[in-house]
Amino acid sequence: KQEVTQIPAALSVPEGENLVLNCSFTDSAIYNLQWFRQDPGKGLTSLLLIQSSQREQTSGRLNASLDKSSGRSTLYIAASQPGDSATYLCAVNSQAGNQFYFGTGTSLTVIP
Amino acid sequence: EPEVTQTPSHQVTQMGQEVILRCVPISNHLYFYWYRQILGQKVEFLVSFYNNEISEKSEIFDDQFSVERPDGSNFTLKIRSTKLEDSAMYFCASREGPSSYNEQFFGPGTRLTVL
Repeated sequence: KQEVTQIPAALSVPEGENLVLNCSFTDSAIYNLQWFRQDPGKGLTSLLLIQSSQREQTSGRLNASLDKSSGRSTLYIAASQPGDSATYLCAVNSQAGNQFYFGTGTSLTVIP
Repeated sequence: EPEVTQTPSHQVTQMGQEVILRCVPISNHLYFYWYRQILGQKVEFLVSFYNNEISEKSEIFDDQFSVERPDGSNFTLKIRSTKLEDSAMYFCASREGPSSYNEQFFGPGTRLTVL
């Protein structure tokens, strides 16, 4: 069974800093990986999806990378803003059309 | 922009009662999912649904649970005889197809509180 781990569990940074969130997974035979943002008590907002054949994806200040062989993905956030404060979840899809396995999340606080 | 919607946003029920959580997936999507998140814990997969049948289910999804697509738009999760430990946020998700570039889109969730 796929196990997904995210470190750190919590991160606090001053506004303007660049930061990296880490995600690792135990089974490298993945189909794709998706990063989500979750605000307290709210749903999941999709940020980026990386297909297994891709190495990275970019959207605005966000860049996600994937190293399938080592079972790792990183989410890079440039020039962080207080509005980026949220929990960031990594989810791995092992098979076409099938379930996501979620990580435990990283709770990010950006201090003004 | 199309989005997944869920109703109600919050449901309070007594232990032993039945609840139905409703979802309207994005209209051209073919794959549907239910996940749950107990407070402070991981998002956990419950069930996936395609072509009017369950395609995969987790150990959590026992006989207490059932899903249905009663018409062309709604996708429901029924929980029979609710237990205290069923209290959680329940998320519906949908996906256009099985391709690796197809994202899963999540609804805002239904917070279920079992008293």
